[in-house]
Amino acid sequence: NAGVTQTPKFQVLKTGQSMTLQCAQDMNHNSMYWYRQDPGMGLRLIYYSASEGTTDKGEVPNGYNVSRLNKREFSLRLESAAPSQTSVYFCASSEVVGETQYFGPGTRLLVL
Amino acid sequence: GQQLNQSPQSMFIQEGEDVSMNCTSSSIFNTWLWYKQDPGEGPVLLIALYKAGELTSNGRLTAQFGITRKDSFLNISASIPSDVGIYFCAGQRTGTASKLTFGTGTRLQVTL
Repeated sequence: NAGVTQTPKFQVLKTGQSMTLQCAQDMNHNSMYWYRQDPGMGLRLIYYSASEGTTDKGEVPNGYNVSRLNKREFSLRLESAAPSQTSVYFCASSEVVGETQYFGPGTRLLVL
Repeated sequence: GQQLNQSPQSMFIQEGEDVSMNCTSSSIFNTWLWYKQDPGEGPVLLIALYKAGELTSNGRLTAQFGITRKDSFLNISASIPSDVGIYFCAGQRTGTASKLTFGTGTRLQVTL
């Protein structure tokens, strides 16, 4: 039982490149979330998916898209990376919205 | 978006000392959560508080939900080296679905 897993762990991109961050959970949770964490700040919600087939914007959605591929997987896509998107990205899941969220280990992204 | 004010930003303490940190908000929350983040890892939930005035312990950790519902406190007694990490508070309001508002974090360093 791995909990929440994220790939890749590290990534370096050039400005304008695209990439997809992957997240999977094996806890049969309905809800999944993407956060970014920047130095000196708490985690900020980018997008979330309350249940399979639904996605909603969080606090900082600009420049990102998401796909809830199935109940287990929730991906985050950067279509045209910008240096301002250099951050650590965390995926989380919860049984339902409003319940305790469990976090993955994070993806460290550097955009040059 | 709103961030919770968390203090202190960082602490250097000696092993065996007690630690106190707090989190304040300009608005009311219905749930307060305390997470710990180890280097290179995602946040892990330590304590959840659901009722104003509630005092909850988890081993050497004790957290309180402020009476005004605008603040919360975390105490760690008899600190040990493995307490090193960043501690985040997070607040959640009923009706805001998934949205957790995170504090800016308190970085704890423990010296022998």
